Formats: sequence, C-alpha cells, structure tokens
Amino acid sequence: DTAVSQTPKYLVTQMGNDKSIKCEQNLGHDTMYWYKQDSKKFLKIMFSYNNKELIINETVPNRFSPKSPDKAHLNLHINSLELGDSAVYFCASSQVADLEAFFGQGTRLTVV
Amino acid sequence: AQTVTQSQPEMSVQEAETVTLSCTYDTSESDYYLFWYKQPPSRQMILVIRQEAYKQQNATENRFSVNFQKAAKSFSLKISDSQLGDAAMYFCAYSDFGNEKLTFGTGTRLTIIP
Repeated sequence: DTAVSQTPKYLVTQMGNDKSIKCEQNLGHDTMYWYKQDSKKFLKIMFSYNNKELIINETVPNRFSPKSPDKAHLNLHINSLELGDSAVYFCASSQVADLEAFFGQGTRLTVV
Repeated sequence: AQTVTQSQPEMSVQEAETVTLSCTYDTSESDYYLFWYKQPPSRQMILVIRQEAYKQQNATENRFSVNFQKAAKSFSLKISDSQLGDAAMYFCAYSDFGNEKLTFGTGTRLTIIP
C-alpha cells in the first residue's frame, strides 16, 4: 500500500494552461505539505495544511492554489503556467508531534 | 530563520569503504529534529535517519550513523560498508515544533565506485 501517492507522475503542458496535481495519504497524518524541487535539486516548502487549515504559505505566486478537501487529501492547482514553473513537485505528510515527513513519488512538471 | 548547509556538492567512495557527509545548521531553538533523506535516481525521497536534538546519543540505523554535535550545530552522516545501492543525492534537513516544515540543505551527490 502506497503511503503518500500523488498523480500524475509526469505532466507536460503548454504555457498558459491550468493544471492540477493530486495527493492522498493513508497514514492518518494531520499535516500535509507541498514542496518544490528545482532544476538544481533544491527543495523548498511551498504550503502546509493541518487538518484542512492552511498553516504555511511561503511566498508562492497566487497562481498556485492548494486545496485540502479533507485531512487525507491535498491538491495543488496551478493557473497560467509559466516556463519557470517546470520542476518536480512533492507532496508529503507528517504528524505534528513527530515532524518526520513521508513523501510521495513526485510529479515532474514540464512547461513548454 | 533556520538554515542548513551542505558544503560537499559531490562525494565518491569505493564500494565497501566508509564515507562521511557533512551538514551544519543554524537555529536559535533548543528542541528540534534533524534528518538525512536519500533521493536515488527514481527521485523518491527516502528517510535514512533522524535525530532528536534533546537526545545526546547519536542515532544509528544499520550501516548509517550520525555524529550530532549540538554545540557546534553539526550533523554528519556516516555510511559504512558502502554499497552500489547507496548511490544517490543525500539531503540534510531540519525541523522544529514552532515551524513544522523541513528546511533542506542543497544536497550531496554520492557516487559509489565499484
């Protein structure tokens, strides 16, 4: 059973399009995250949600909108995609008391 | 703000030998967690080992161990008996309870020489 799963694994799309990445965790964790890994492999937090409430929003453009319908799901919607949005996006989850994050397999987004 | 520094962009080691990856961090907190994550070519992020700052004993997981020096804010990873499957990017990461997110270093690419 996959603990943190995100779909799709690969996404190729044209500039200006809108796309979504979905994430689900079956670990019973109360906190979920989106991280971005750029072309130099640097990983940086984008958002975190705790029990469907937005906790962290790290100066991410408004074109990025996370949505958490319940504490097991955290989706990422991106409007008006730009070339610079090309990256690998990771979903992760953790228990607040533990801080150990479990990651999904990542979504490689390529904007052409 | 917390920062994590990995000063070795690349390291290589002969198979079966031992290698140490360096990590330093900066924080004003006294209670926090430190992690080493491995990212193989499959890009999956895999937790290798974790250390709670309040524990003086260094964490160990099979061939992986850390040298945690709290006063020096240093957290190095030692891999013993290196295997081909250890080849990956290794990321040092920090988290604390007031700021529940991972702050990552820039990573060290480890190559295993057969």
